[in-house]
Amino acid sequence: DVKVTQSSRYLVKRTGEKVFLECVQDMDHENMFWYRQDPGLGLRLIYFSYDVKMKEKGDIPEGYSVSREKKERFSLILESASTNQTSMYLCASSPNHRDRYGYTFGSGTRLTVV
Amino acid sequence: DAKTTQPPSMDCAEGRAANLPCNHSTISGNEYVYWYRQIHSQGPQYIIHGLKNNETNEMASLIITEDRKSSTLILPHATLRDTAVYYCIVRVASGANSKLTFGKGITLSVRP
Repeated sequence: DVKVTQSSRYLVKRTGEKVFLECVQDMDHENMFWYRQDPGLGLRLIYFSYDVKMKEKGDIPEGYSVSREKKERFSLILESASTNQTSMYLCASSPNHRDRYGYTFGSGTRLTVV
Repeated sequence: DAKTTQPPSMDCAEGRAANLPCNHSTISGNEYVYWYRQIHSQGPQYIIHGLKNNETNEMASLIITEDRKSSTLILPHATLRDTAVYYCIVRVASGANSKLTFGKGITLSVRP
């Protein structure tokens, strides 16, 4: 079964900490995405990557950076965590070729910044 | 990506068909209609997609109007586990412009 795995289900960090959220996919997909989801705001795209070492800003990149050193791994970095970054973070991947399933999502990481 | 319009919520009785509407009047010729759902506290899950023809799989059926400006997702025999937020999204099927943009979706409540 294809999988997108996010390293942590729940995470609590302090304001000002540097936070790494890891995502790994085993489907050899070219594209990977980070979303955050907040009540009333739905899913919003933070960053995405179409290839190794390649990244593009999504709709809300401020306060975040990403790293994609290997095809299967896409990391979201909060350089200095703030309380307004408390959210559910969802990683997804998709292939470049025409594909039946579109995106495959991970189970999410619920981050609380205190 | 073209925008979609969905009512905010609907409910149906367990065992009955749930028909979830979606309007996408500005859809382009190369854009597909995708449906995802998100059960509480989980990541979104793919349900079905289509371009012009109606589609059916083990989860649902997708009916697309001839002018492609609207579609309906049909869950033929809704169960309590189908209670979720359902997202209708239009996008190109593959490649660099294929990122998903989620709207607010429709909350389906299946009642016993």
